[in-house]
Amino acid sequence: QVLLVQSGAEMIRPGASVKVSCKASGYAFTGHYMHWVRQAPGQGLEWMGWIHPVTGDTKYAQKFQGWVTLTRDTSISTAYMELPRLTSDDTAVYYCARDRGELGSPYYDYFYMDVWGKGTTVTVSS
Amino acid sequence: EIVLTQSPATLSLSPGERATLSCRASQSLGSDLAWYQQKPGQAPRLLIYDTSNRATGLPARFSGSGSGTDFTLTISSLEPEDFAVYYCQQRSAWPLSFGGGTKVEIK
Repeated sequence: QVLLVQSGAEMIRPGASVKVSCKASGYAFTGHYMHWVRQAPGQGLEWMGWIHPVTGDTKYAQKFQGWVTLTRDTSISTAYMELPRLTSDDTAVYYCARDRGELGSPYYDYFYMDVWGKGTTVTVSS
Repeated sequence: EIVLTQSPATLSLSPGERATLSCRASQSLGSDLAWYQQKPGQAPRLLIYDTSNRATGLPARFSGSGSGTDFTLTISSLEPEDFAVYYCQQRSAWPLSFGGGTKVEIK
């Protein structure tokens, strides 16, 4: 069974940072990009970026460029999202999501998200 | 950035009725569009990719169509478990983007 298990809810003071983990199981972690998406309360979905599991290359939405850091540890099949300098506007559920495409596939199956973690609620409040 | 506009914002229907959800893009996507379903307190679930391909295990009552800038998700006969919020997502250009969602609610 393919699973993404995310770390638990966080309560963060304004100006501090948060690091969310996402542990993959049931598939080859190095075979798929990992995306991060966030959802503010009552709002829609916002794509933040992806990380290549083998090279560590990243691609970010412009809004998050220079701000969010995506990393991974292939030895434990875990991806991380770190966001510093948080404000109340960053209160949201943060999701990791596996890319549907398999790296090296001859088919262009990439950049849709087929398996999602349950989400990590990050609350920024003083 | 490609903007996806979903309509209507809310669709009030009864079980057994047909649901037609629209997603319009600010520029042509070819067929690079997906649909997701999200229920309260849950993560999104991939339903349709490449405009019309159903994800594994998705019932046949869900279908997708369209091309270019206009896309449609159709649920032929609503089941109780289909009442949820639906999002479209494009992969045609960076950054990836989602529509604002359509809530399908019980009338």
